[in-house]
Amino acid sequence: KNEVEQSPQNLTAQEEEFITINCSYSVGISALHWLQQHPGGGIVSLFMLSSGKKKHGRLIATINIQEKHSSLHITASHPRDSAVYICAVLMDTDKLIFGTGTRLQVFP
Amino acid sequence: GAGVSQSPSNKVTEKGKDVELRCDPISGHTALYWYRQRLGQGLEFLIYFQGNSAPDKSGLPSDRFSAERTGESVSTLTIQRTQQEDSAVYLCASSLASWTGKLFFGSGTQLSVL
Repeated sequence: KNEVEQSPQNLTAQEEEFITINCSYSVGISALHWLQQHPGGGIVSLFMLSSGKKKHGRLIATINIQEKHSSLHITASHPRDSAVYICAVLMDTDKLIFGTGTRLQVFP
Repeated sequence: GAGVSQSPSNKVTEKGKDVELRCDPISGHTALYWYRQRLGQGLEFLIYFQGNSAPDKSGLPSDRFSAERTGESVSTLTIQRTQQEDSAVYLCASSLASWTGKLFFGSGTQLSVL
């Protein structure tokens, strides 16, 4: 069993839909990253969370440390949001473990 | 520099040859990570450096893989006696410290072993 699980693996949405991507982990962590990888491979860090909630534009990330769960929400989705979204947990040992990613496609 | 720089951007090599990949982190970033991504697969942790501490090598897939970093500067990842299964994009990321701040990724080195 992977230490970091993401769901769904693939997600298709219509423009303007509200999107949620989930990440569950089974190890002790000090922080959690949400990353975005566009076709062509470039990876961008979206958020780093250790508690609570963060918001940037149409993106919202939440984390529940007790439940070992984080969610990434996209409001009013747009085709340019199409990408692979990756959850990565920073373990107490400073090792970073990645989820397998969620491939999002948003259609106009 | 403004971002994390990796070189070369592409490397084609023959099976059995050694290759060396380079990562220049953002100045002042003490944490540096190497990952790889095989075609169609997720990111795989390789090695992590934090300042002058001993690196976490737990992700290196075999003893053919090694990495060095002098202080908080450039890092090199060396793959000896390359095999076809080593073909992947090798990515480097840095952050101010492992426990704080965003990760900044380089654009990767596409390694193809023929």
